[in-house]
Amino acid sequence: QVHLVQSGAEVKEPGAAVSLSCKASGYTFTNYYMHWLRQAPGQGLEWMGALNPGGDYTNYAQKFRGRVTMTKDTSTSTLYMQLSSLRSEDTAVYYCAREGGEIVTPQKNFDNWGQGTLVTVSS
Amino acid sequence: QSALTQPPSASGSPGQSVTISCTGTSSDVGGNNYVSWYQQHPGKAPKLIIYEVNKRPSGVPDRFSGSKSGNTASLTVSGLQAEDEADYYCTSYIGNIPSYVFGTGTEVTVL
Repeated sequence: QVHLVQSGAEVKEPGAAVSLSCKASGYTFTNYYMHWLRQAPGQGLEWMGALNPGGDYTNYAQKFRGRVTMTKDTSTSTLYMQLSSLRSEDTAVYYCAREGGEIVTPQKNFDNWGQGTLVTVSS
Repeated sequence: QSALTQPPSASGSPGQSVTISCTGTSSDVGGNNYVSWYQQHPGKAPKLIIYEVNKRPSGVPDRFSGSKSGNTASLTVSGLQAEDEADYYCTSYIGNIPSYVFGTGTEVTVL
């Protein structure tokens, strides 16, 4: 079955950058779009961007452009997300998620999720 | 892009039904059929329960159903069970950007 295992919690100072990882297993990594989302404490979900693990396509939410970079390593089926210039409002649980349907027939949903990584931004 | 509007809370007794609305605009909910719903228990990752307005992933009970009319989508949970107590979020794909917008979330309580 599909497993998405994310890296551990991070504590960062304002202005720093954080890099998170998400290791996929149980399916062909390059056949499905992958997404990053986040959820601030007590708040709702927010989409950050998407990546095609089988190609060069990335699409970042307008809010994060210039601060976020999503990459992948197909040899290890691992997705990465770096967020820079951190501020207190970036404190959140960050999730990676697989999009349902293969890349040729995307379903525009998030059918499998990682367990989440808590990022705390504090001085 | 503004968040989709959901009621903050909804409740029902075991066995009853509860319906949650998700109101957007013609650019998101009303503009395509890529509306999905997620169930989230405290401290857990969200779980997909409805996609493309009214389709259920394998393993999701048929007590969960979805619909859409104009710019408003709805999730109905029939035959409420204790384990249905959770937060529920809708989301819509926005094709012309492209991006996704989430709803504000609804806390469902089983009385």
